[in-house]
Amino acid sequence: DGGITQSPKYLFRKEGQNVTLSCEQNLNHDAMYWYRQDPGQGLRLIYYSQIVNDFQKGDIAEGYSVSREKKESFPLTVTSAQKNPTAFYLCASSIRYSGNTIYFGEGSWLTVV
Amino acid sequence: KNEVEQSPQNLTAQEGEFITINCSYSVGISALHWLQQHPGGGIVSLFMLSSGKKKHGRLIATINIQEKHSSLHITASHPRDSAVYICAVKGAETSGSRLTFGEGTQLTVNP
Repeated sequence: DGGITQSPKYLFRKEGQNVTLSCEQNLNHDAMYWYRQDPGQGLRLIYYSQIVNDFQKGDIAEGYSVSREKKESFPLTVTSAQKNPTAFYLCASSIRYSGNTIYFGEGSWLTVV
Repeated sequence: KNEVEQSPQNLTAQEGEFITINCSYSVGISALHWLQQHPGGGIVSLFMLSSGKKKHGRLIATINIQEKHSSLHITASHPRDSAVYICAVKGAETSGSRLTFGEGTQLTVNP
């Protein structure tokens, strides 16, 4: 079955360490997205990629980095520069950047202690 | 004021009740999504609307473009409907799939 796979589901890290969240899709989608969700707030866009080897900053990109070396993969690195990294992170994809239908992964819970 | 406002924030119902969740937005849009977030965090898309009404099983979604308002209805609610329901809009002025999300409505259906 096609879908989006995020890993790990739960991750604990010490303050000051970088951590990379994996997102893989086998839907053959060109566009991929990373969102952050905090309690009581709507999802906010961190980074997006319209096509392989391209990515753009979203609304809250500071302290994060991404790469898009392969069409099916869009990993997110939460760096030590991110002031409040503890959150729920969701990866999503759409067939193309202008497409209306968007698919989400199961999410990754990151806790920084 | 958020661009997308949902009400209520929390809703508790008894099994079998008819449920309505509302979404108001302040920008022109090209599409509106209703999403369901499971307790584990994963999100599934329920509906995408640009006009009128859509129905899928016990779920009905309506949108009034002039009033910038959408509703999600659940008929004959069941405990398995307990989840967070999220409204998201794709702005008409925005290219691509950048969405603006509401804060979500936590629905709990008791047996």
